[in-house]
Amino acid sequence: DADVTQTPRNRITKTGKRIMLECSQTKGHDRMYWYRQDPGLGLRLIYYSFDVKDINKGEISDGYSVSRQAQAKFSLSLESAIPNQTALYFCATSDPTGASTDTQYFGPGTRLTVL
Amino acid sequence: GNSVTQMEGPVTLSEEAFLTINCTYTATGYPSLFWYVQYPGEGLQLLLKATKADDKGSNKGFEATYRKETTSFHLEKGSVQVSDSAVYFCALPSHQAGTALIFGKGTTLSVSS
Repeated sequence: DADVTQTPRNRITKTGKRIMLECSQTKGHDRMYWYRQDPGLGLRLIYYSFDVKDINKGEISDGYSVSRQAQAKFSLSLESAIPNQTALYFCATSDPTGASTDTQYFGPGTRLTVL
Repeated sequence: GNSVTQMEGPVTLSEEAFLTINCTYTATGYPSLFWYVQYPGEGLQLLLKATKADDKGSNKGFEATYRKETTSFHLEKGSVQVSDSAVYFCALPSHQAGTALIFGKGTTLSVSS
């Protein structure tokens, strides 16, 4: 079973719709992240959370919000989707206490298309 | 803040050719450096890392050496295989966002038989 899962894997929606992308992990890591990937731009940080009560904005948080429902779950919402939010979205986790404190573990990604 | 500049692709090679993908960085202090790989249709996975100057990370025949003097972390492989076709990302931790990573733009490698 995958350690970091994302749902849905693919989503097509329309401009103005609210959409939620979900991430769950079984790795027991406190730290979770949301990135988006655009062709030619690499990955950029949207939000990150170091524990359930610690949520921080990343480089490109405008138009997005997040919820950390539990240690294992970190959801990303687009309140009113727009076409330039079409991208591949990745969730990642890391463990600040283990031997590899700065290694991140990625989910398989959600491909979002906003028409 | 920290930043990374990565050689742009695509890179097209024949099987058994030598591979180099250049990566240079700007950083506060001496952070860990990473190479991640993304195979088609998949998420990113760690390929190798180095945690301090002169460290060499290696995995699956790939190597990269943390060069403080040239602020570089170039990825190399002596003999690529078709199965190495993927997108490769150089990364380092964000100085502002703790352990969140800053990624290069990615280099697409295509290997033909």
